[in-house]
Amino acid sequence: DVKVTQSSRYLVKRTGEKVFLECVQDMDHENMFWYRQDPGLGLRLIYFSYDVKMKEKGDIPEGYSVSREKKERFSLILESASTNQTSMYLCASRGRRITDTQYFGPGTRLTVL
Amino acid sequence: GQQVMQIPQYQHVQEGEDFTTYCNSSTTLSNIQWYKQRPGGHPVFLIQLVKSGEVKKQKRLTFQFGEAKKNSSLHITATQTTDVGTYFCAGCPPPSNSGAGSYQLTFGKGTKLSVIP
Repeated sequence: DVKVTQSSRYLVKRTGEKVFLECVQDMDHENMFWYRQDPGLGLRLIYFSYDVKMKEKGDIPEGYSVSREKKERFSLILESASTNQTSMYLCASRGRRITDTQYFGPGTRLTVL
Repeated sequence: GQQVMQIPQYQHVQEGEDFTTYCNSSTTLSNIQWYKQRPGGHPVFLIQLVKSGEVKKQKRLTFQFGEAKKNSSLHITATQTTDVGTYFCAGCPPPSNSGAGSYQLTFGKGTKLSVIP
């Protein structure tokens, strides 16, 4: 059974803290993604990576950075968390073929106080 | 860049009524995928359409891909409370020479379906 796991289901942090969200996939997928999901706004792409050490900005990269040192792991970093980054964060992975499907992790509900 | 619009944003139906969500792309797609996210859950793949004019069925769900491969629809017949959730379409652009990073899915904003028992 394919799996995308995220380090935490719920996280509470304070404004200004550095936050790490970890994502691991076991499907040997080249592509990995970080989205945030807010009511009425759908899935907004923050960053994605198509290979180890490669990254590309998505639609809303401001305030975030990412790291992909190993193929199976993709980390999202909030350098200095702010209250407007309170959201649900979803990680996903996908193979490189056009017809490959995307697999999502269970999500991390981040609250920044 | 490619944009995928999905309507309606919300739909409330009485149990037993039909439901349809529509997906429109600004550019021709190579394929379209549909995902369902249950309340409190994460998006899960339902189906993929690849051919122009393709129609696929999964029990009470019917998926269509337009002739021009720029639009798609999901129709649910006789909704049940188990159909509650948000339905996303996601389109993939045709092959190009842009190399690495290509073929990424662009997701619509989703249609949130509520079913009143």
